Amino acid sequence: QKEVEQNSGPLSVPEGAIASLNCTYSDRGSQSFFWYRQYSGKSPELIMFIYSNGDKEDGRFTAQLNKASQYVSLLIRDSQPSDSATYLCAVNTGFQKLVFGTGTRLLVSP
Amino acid sequence: KAGVTQTPRYLIKTRGQQVTLSCSPISGHRSVSWYQQTPGQGLQFLFEYFSETQRNKGNFPGRFSGRQFSNSRSEMNVSTLELGDSALYLCASSLKVNYGYTFGSGTRLTVV
Repeated sequence: QKEVEQNSGPLSVPEGAIASLNCTYSDRGSQSFFWYRQYSGKSPELIMFIYSNGDKEDGRFTAQLNKASQYVSLLIRDSQPSDSATYLCAVNTGFQKLVFGTGTRLLVSP
Repeated sequence: KAGVTQTPRYLIKTRGQQVTLSCSPISGHRSVSWYQQTPGQGLQFLFEYFSETQRNKGNFPGRFSGRQFSNSRSEMNVSTLELGDSALYLCASSLKVNYGYTFGSGTRLTVV
C-alpha cells in the first residue's frame, strides 16, 4: 500500500464548476497535510495546508481533512482554465519529510 | 524575498560521470530537502538537512549523497551516473516541515 494515494486522472471539469480532488494516506500518525499545484514544466507550488479535522477555506480553495477516514480533499470552486495543472497531496508523517502522492491531473475546459 | 535557487537549471551528463547540484534556500530557512521527480515515480524523497546534519534519508543507493553548509546552502552529488538517474531534481526549504516546503525551480538532469 502506498503511503499517499491519489487518482491520477485526468479529472475534467467545465469552467465555473467545482473540482474535487481526493487523497488517502496510510499513516494514522500523520500530522499535517498539504496541497501543491504543479504546472507542466514547473516546480510544485504550495496552495493549502491543513492540520485539524474539518474544512479550511482560502479564496476559491477549500481543504478538507478527516483523520478517522485518513482522507484529505481539495475543492476548487469556480474552476478556471488557469487551474489546469497537476495537484499533489503531501503528508507529514513526522520524520522530517513530506511524502507526496503521484498527483491528480486537472483539466478545466472553457 | 528571494526564493529557493537551484543551479544549474539543465545538465546533460554521460553514464559513469558524476554531478553536483546546488541549492540556496530562502533566507532564514535552515531545513533543506531534496526530491527526485520522474514521470513514473512522482516525487521521491532523497534526504533532508538541518543545521548541517542529515536528519532523514530516502531509499536511494549510496551513489546519492548530499551536504549542507553553515550558511544553509546545500549540495547533492550523484556519482557513477546511470540512465535511470535522468530526472528533475528539486530542492525545497522550510522553517519547519509543518509549515510546508517552498520548492526551487529544479535541475533537469539528462544522462546519455
